[in-house]
Amino acid sequence: GQNIDQPTEMTATEGAIVQINCTYQTSGFNGLFWYQQHAGEAPTFLSYNVLDGLEEKGRFSSFLSRSKGYSYLLLKELQMKDSASYLCAVRDTMGGSYIPTFGRGTSLIVHP
Amino acid sequence: EAQVTQNPRYLITVTGKKLTVTCSQNMNHEYMSWYRQDPGLGLRQIYYSMNVEVTDKGDVPEGYKVSRKEKRNFPLILESPSPNQTSLYFCASSSTAIGSTNEKLFFGSGTQLSVL
Repeated sequence: GQNIDQPTEMTATEGAIVQINCTYQTSGFNGLFWYQQHAGEAPTFLSYNVLDGLEEKGRFSSFLSRSKGYSYLLLKELQMKDSASYLCAVRDTMGGSYIPTFGRGTSLIVHP
Repeated sequence: EAQVTQNPRYLITVTGKKLTVTCSQNMNHEYMSWYRQDPGLGLRQIYYSMNVEVTDKGDVPEGYKVSRKEKRNFPLILESPSPNQTSLYFCASSSTAIGSTNEKLFFGSGTQLSVL
């Protein structure tokens, strides 16, 4: 199984940069996902990492270090609409199945 | 449009009255899953299915049943709901082709269930 840890809450200022960290322990790592979830809505896919390094997608980037069991999501030029919960999910290949497990999420509050 | 359709969006019921939450996907996905989301606890997996007629327990299966008779449908059944099952429920699906490692989850819009 996995143990996924991410901060419960973060605050940042509009226009700034914020980094949300995620650490994990797993025996059969097969990919790490980040999802965004606005209050009362379904999570939506943001990024995916399976190899070490940085994946950039517009204002959002995600980094992975498999040896350290560590990932971060970087949000640049923050906007008010970025206020949401950010979920780190790790996929494990235990038993030959591709089962993603979610962390508890980081609630990001962006203020003017 | 590729989507996961989940119904109902809101449901209020009483203890012991059987209910079913439906989930359907139109993407021919093999993998489907049910999660519940509670404040401070994140998304917890209830049951999942790797394909038709194949279902497995997740982390919190007690009090729930599922079935996967067709690839597109994965209903969640609460035979005798109790107040501790009051929660926000999400259905999700993805492809899991062997060797495929870039398959994101598509989520339904959620079902807010209240058991009185």
